Amino acid sequence: QSVLTQPPSASGTPGQGVTISCSGTSSNIENNFVYWYQQLPGAAPRLLMYRNDQRPSGVPDRFSGSKSGTSASLGISGLRSEDEADYYCATWDDSQSGYVFGSGTKVIVL
Amino acid sequence: EVQLVESGGGLVPPGGSLRLSCKGSGFKFSTYAMSWVRQAPGKGLEWVSVISGSGDNIYYADSVKGRFTISRDNYGNTLSLQMKSLRAEDTAVYFCVKILSTDWYAGFDYWGQGTLVAVSS
Repeated sequence: QSVLTQPPSASGTPGQGVTISCSGTSSNIENNFVYWYQQLPGAAPRLLMYRNDQRPSGVPDRFSGSKSGTSASLGISGLRSEDEADYYCATWDDSQSGYVFGSGTKVIVL
Repeated sequence: EVQLVESGGGLVPPGGSLRLSCKGSGFKFSTYAMSWVRQAPGKGLEWVSVISGSGDNIYYADSVKGRFTISRDNYGNTLSLQMKSLRAEDTAVYFCVKILSTDWYAGFDYWGQGTLVAVSS
């Protein structure tokens, strides 16, 4: 059972937007930066968002991140077929002295 | 270009040992913390261990504490994971991951392609 809670799936048609939530606690999300990763089928994860809302170079501005209190969100606007993947949130947990991941959200482009 | 190349995976019986290695290139290896993250077949990501750039700070997930040992060779740009007393539940693809800074809590950025460890008799 993952420490961070994510919905199992999210879906939308091409061009639509989806939002993926990531819920944690005061020992993890509230006091640490949140990171988001995209994992395409059969591939290694790729950094999508760091320090809550910062996009690495090469990540389209269709992706956005935010954090408030013990929750964080990843937004994808203008959905494209290549966005179909698993998305994971992660952060450091002070009480566990380790990283924790969300259970992952599968984004489906209808 | 940052590259992380893992090696050492394979099939091992329960109770056995295995040593994974990861060669880093394209960045100043000694100035970044490094980590191992694993993914069981069809499952999500699970953090395993992290080591600071200097090697002075090391943390393990409870599931591997006392059985796995992370280490690094900053002269050879190599990260290692010594795994002992392996169990079936350790079966996973193990990813070598670079951390964003020398601080171990700074988040993962680059990932290797992974090496498969299968624990089975």
